[in-house]
Amino acid sequence: GESVGLHLPTLSVQEGDNSIINCAYSNSASDYFIWYKQESGKGPQFIIDIRSNMDKRQGQRVTVLLNKTVKHLSLQIAATQPGDSAVYFCAETLTGGGNKLTFGTGTQLKVEL
Amino acid sequence: EADIYQTPRYLVIGTGKKITLECSQTMGHDKMYWYQQDPGMELHLIHYSYGVNSTEKGDLSSESTVSRIRTEHFPLTLESARPSHTSQYLCASSDVTRALRGTQYFGPGTRLTVL
Repeated sequence: GESVGLHLPTLSVQEGDNSIINCAYSNSASDYFIWYKQESGKGPQFIIDIRSNMDKRQGQRVTVLLNKTVKHLSLQIAATQPGDSAVYFCAETLTGGGNKLTFGTGTQLKVEL
Repeated sequence: EADIYQTPRYLVIGTGKKITLECSQTMGHDKMYWYQQDPGMELHLIHYSYGVNSTEKGDLSSESTVSRIRTEHFPLTLESARPSHTSQYLCASSDVTRALRGTQYFGPGTRLTVL
């Protein structure tokens, strides 16, 4: 049902600056990680993924960093644009676990003009 | 852009009504999922399916039921809606035969309000 009064962590950045969104994952056995972007009123949209045998992967304007030692994932967005404003979720899964994803708490990214 | 559709997008109904939320995908994906998401919160898996005639309960207990008679269709049913069912319901699908290791593609969601 509805939850009341909880606010997402929010990151506010100026247009053109770089953004870094962080995520702590829970299962040390997870071997595949995904970042999703969710705009208001829409379903999550795949941004970038990374396997546990990598520590960095780059896409178009986005980079994901994985630190397995401290179970930390980050998403870097270069030259942030107004269209990047959304909630960003990280998700983890264990290969062979039926592709069941465990989602982290999202971060609201606000881009200021 | 993933081809996964949900109807209705918005639904307001009274307590006790039976409702079915529709989800269809045209990608031939074998796995499909239903998530519940409250505003500003993370997604919680409530049901999933590995293929036709396969359904499993997810991590979050739900009073809803699902069926998977056809690969492309994965409807979710609430026999008697209650205000506690008010939430957003997201459908997703994935194809593990692809190199992406089963990345899930999401529909636009159904925003359900039970009065």
